[in-house]
Amino acid sequence: AQSVTQLGSHVSVSEGALVLLRCNYSSSVPPYLFWYVQYPNQGLQLLLKYTSAATLVKGINGFEAEFKKSETSFHLTKPSAHMSDAAEYFCAVVKAAGNKLTFGGGTRVLVKP
Amino acid sequence: EPEVTQTPSHQVTQMGQEVILRCVPISNHLYFYWYRQILGQKVEFLVSFYNNEISEKSEIFDDQFSVERPDGSNFTLKIRSTKLEDSAMYFCASSTVDYGYTFGSGTRLTVV
Repeated sequence: AQSVTQLGSHVSVSEGALVLLRCNYSSSVPPYLFWYVQYPNQGLQLLLKYTSAATLVKGINGFEAEFKKSETSFHLTKPSAHMSDAAEYFCAVVKAAGNKLTFGGGTRVLVKP
Repeated sequence: EPEVTQTPSHQVTQMGQEVILRCVPISNHLYFYWYRQILGQKVEFLVSFYNNEISEKSEIFDDQFSVERPDGSNFTLKIRSTKLEDSAMYFCASSTVDYGYTFGSGTRLTVV
């Protein structure tokens, strides 16, 4: 079975500072990994996905994530936080196309001016 | 950009009543899903649907829940007799064979 663990349910960063959100996965097969963002009272928007091509994946809004098999990690980063990045972020894993996504518990990001 | 459309955006219902949540997936997608998110909690899988049948369901998806794809475009989730604990945001999603998972904006269900 696949699972993901997101370290830190809440993260506070200053505007302009590095954003680092941690995601570790557990999977019996090579995983496919995703990051989604959820703004207040809205749905889930795809930030980026890893599907076994390049290990460094670039997404929307300046976010990127690196797949590290040796560390079973897929951490999300953004060099410089913006106020509009305040949202909840979810890491998700799937084992094959058409299967269910399994989500982590989410990390809520607060951006301080 | 193609979207998954969910209606209504918010539904209030009395405990014990039946509700039907509606979704229009992206037209060329093959796989369809329902998820729910209780306020402040993680996103939980309910059911997946492929080739006009359920392909997987979670423990949450008991006999009170059912799904249908009555025509070529709609995908519905029915809760037969709602309970207070069914109050949540329900998300519909659809996907392709190349891992393009797209979510709708959700239906907030409030059971009173």
